[in-house]
Amino acid sequence: QVHLVQSGAEVKKPGSSVKVSCKFSGGTFNSYTIIWVRQAPGQGLEWMGGIIPLFRTINYAQKFQGRVTISADESTTTAYMELSGLRSEDTAVYYCARAEGDYWGQGTLVTVSS
Amino acid sequence: DVVMTQSPLSLPVTLGQPASISCRSSQSLVFHDGNTYLNWFHQRPGQSPRRLIYKVSNRDSGVPDRFSGSGSGTDFTLKISRVEAEDVGVYYCMHGTHWPPTDTFGQGTKLEIK
Repeated sequence: QVHLVQSGAEVKKPGSSVKVSCKFSGGTFNSYTIIWVRQAPGQGLEWMGGIIPLFRTINYAQKFQGRVTISADESTTTAYMELSGLRSEDTAVYYCARAEGDYWGQGTLVTVSS
Repeated sequence: DVVMTQSPLSLPVTLGQPASISCRSSQSLVFHDGNTYLNWFHQRPGQSPRRLIYKVSNRDSGVPDRFSGSGSGTDFTLKISRVEAEDVGVYYCMHGTHWPPTDTFGQGTKLEIK
């Protein structure tokens, strides 16, 4: 059974960066595509980007280009999403998930506030 | 980019009555392997999305058979034959055909009990 366990909630200042981790277990990490999705309060789901560890292929939504960095550490089967230049509008729950949508992390609340 | 459009965005339903949600894509979701990668999700407040249906019409394990998916090409439908109280929440369609799936999710349909 695949499990995705994310790091805990964060409170950040505007202009700073946040790095969220997503620990993968129960399957073959390299063979899966991991995506990052965010959900602002009361809003819908928004695709941010994805990584295919096997091919080291990474794609980002144009909206986040230049601010987001997605990476993966095969030795620890952990994926990461780092968002820089934080602003209040980035306050959201950030999810990692398998691209097929069958497995999701529990979500990480990132609050951006001065 | 493929744009996913759901309707209605709000769906009040009487317990025991049927419900139907439409999802339309701006491009065909048929992949070159012949499959159509269209998923449906249900999300309750404070929870991660849960996949209900994959590849248009396949129910995930544990999903009640009152949920069904249908459609082809660009037009898809999620139907609930008899709505139960536990079905409240927001339903999203999501495609997995085109990569990167920048606008992979529909806007969401909020189902509530009348």
